[in-house]
Amino acid sequence: SQQGEEDPQALSIQEGENATMNCSYKTSINNLQWYRQNSGRGLVHLILIRSNEREKHSGRLRVTLDTSKKSSSLLITASRAADTASYFCATADTGRRALTFGSGTRLQVQP
Amino acid sequence: DAMVIQNPRYQVTQFGKPVTLSCSQTLNHNVMYWYQQKSSQAPKLLFHYYDKDFNNEADTPDNFQSRRPNTSFCFLDIRSPGLGDAAMYLCATSRVRPATNEKLFFGSGTQLSVL
Repeated sequence: SQQGEEDPQALSIQEGENATMNCSYKTSINNLQWYRQNSGRGLVHLILIRSNEREKHSGRLRVTLDTSKKSSSLLITASRAADTASYFCATADTGRRALTFGSGTRLQVQP
Repeated sequence: DAMVIQNPRYQVTQFGKPVTLSCSQTLNHNVMYWYQQKSSQAPKLLFHYYDKDFNNEADTPDNFQSRRPNTSFCFLDIRSPGLGDAAMYLCATSRVRPATNEKLFFGSGTQLSVL
């Protein structure tokens, strides 16, 4: 079953703008991860945030986690055309042994 | 260097004709996963192996089987493909299970078409 719901489903911005994607989930988790998928390709891991962390940065990426609201956000700053892709959150639930992926956000960055 | 390799990149099969998709890894990871992803949808876990321990998802159809003959290789067998099985099939690996704060490494996927 699908764990995460992502919002928005699609996002179109201009190069240089920031992009924010949100993820909500339903159960207790050990960690939450974000992945990127270029069209027709496999997924690439971006960042992992543990359940006891509230914020994490990696380059132009900033991830927040609010376990009380069961939600996470991914911020991409100063976006580039090359950031065009689908972005998925994935949760490692305490009761499961594999990642469950959200529905994804399709990001289009216009040059 | 490619770390998780899926072959073939594109596979076309006929309705009802068995098909096998393959995955190999050079990471020596303990866990290998198969995900099914339909157009514009989330990847859906079919099953995974922890070493030789096979873990099937409750809603994975019996039509889907898997084999892991050794650490490096894992196969997805679709015994009688239906039109609804047309999808991207993604293989992934992790050193140990992701609940222990491990990330997944994905192959490029095999796009399966059923005619």
